[in-house]
Amino acid sequence: QAQLQQSGPGLVEPSQTLSLTCGISGDSVSSNSGTWNWIRQSPSRGLEWLGRTYYRSKWYYDYAVSVKSRITINPDTSKNQFSLQLHSVTPEDTAVYYCARAGPDVKRLSMTDWGQGTLVTVSS
Amino acid sequence: QSALTQPASVSGSPGQSITISCTGTSSDVGGYNYVSWYQQHPGNAPKLMIYDVNNRPSGVSNRFSGSKSGYTASLTISGLQAEDEAAYYCSSYTSSTTLVFGGGTKLTVL
Repeated sequence: QAQLQQSGPGLVEPSQTLSLTCGISGDSVSSNSGTWNWIRQSPSRGLEWLGRTYYRSKWYYDYAVSVKSRITINPDTSKNQFSLQLHSVTPEDTAVYYCARAGPDVKRLSMTDWGQGTLVTVSS
Repeated sequence: QSALTQPASVSGSPGQSITISCTGTSSDVGGYNYVSWYQQHPGNAPKLMIYDVNNRPSGVSNRFSGSKSGYTASLTISGLQAEDEAAYYCSSYTSSTTLVFGGGTKLTVL
């Protein structure tokens, strides 16, 4: 079981970049034992999977179509963490953002471990 | 990718059984046995209750069970208890190598 600790600002101005980091303990971002995901939740959109990264001899990235043009997820092996960047945000991006770990099967995408959640408000 | 379809709310009395449905398409629920169910209490992160349609993670009560027929997956909770009152979400792997969630179902224990 992994423990995930999120960090990052709770307020972002419109058109700017939302940046969050998810620190991992009890597992490694570069192991074959997991995939590393970002998910958000808002009253209007419910739970929405944003994307993931995982390492299987090389790094892989999958992104939701809804945000594909403006999202970046990056692993940081030196700090054992992964990050989310969402560019050109609007008030519709206001949500609670979660990082989450799924198991080794890249199709299973069952989130076994979750971060504590970060409420990010997009407002000037 | 459209969200999977769940009823907005269901209710039941203590001791009864309830079933929550989750309907998708051939590109998600109908195409893969990678349906998961999550329980979420207010203010908390979701908790995995069922994976791969009908498997329970260690520590999850056997009162929770899952099934699938065609494009519709279902979560059944038997012997309802007060602490089961929560929101429940389904999710499925998709043919685009992404994940899609359902809109969520609020369970009320009467």
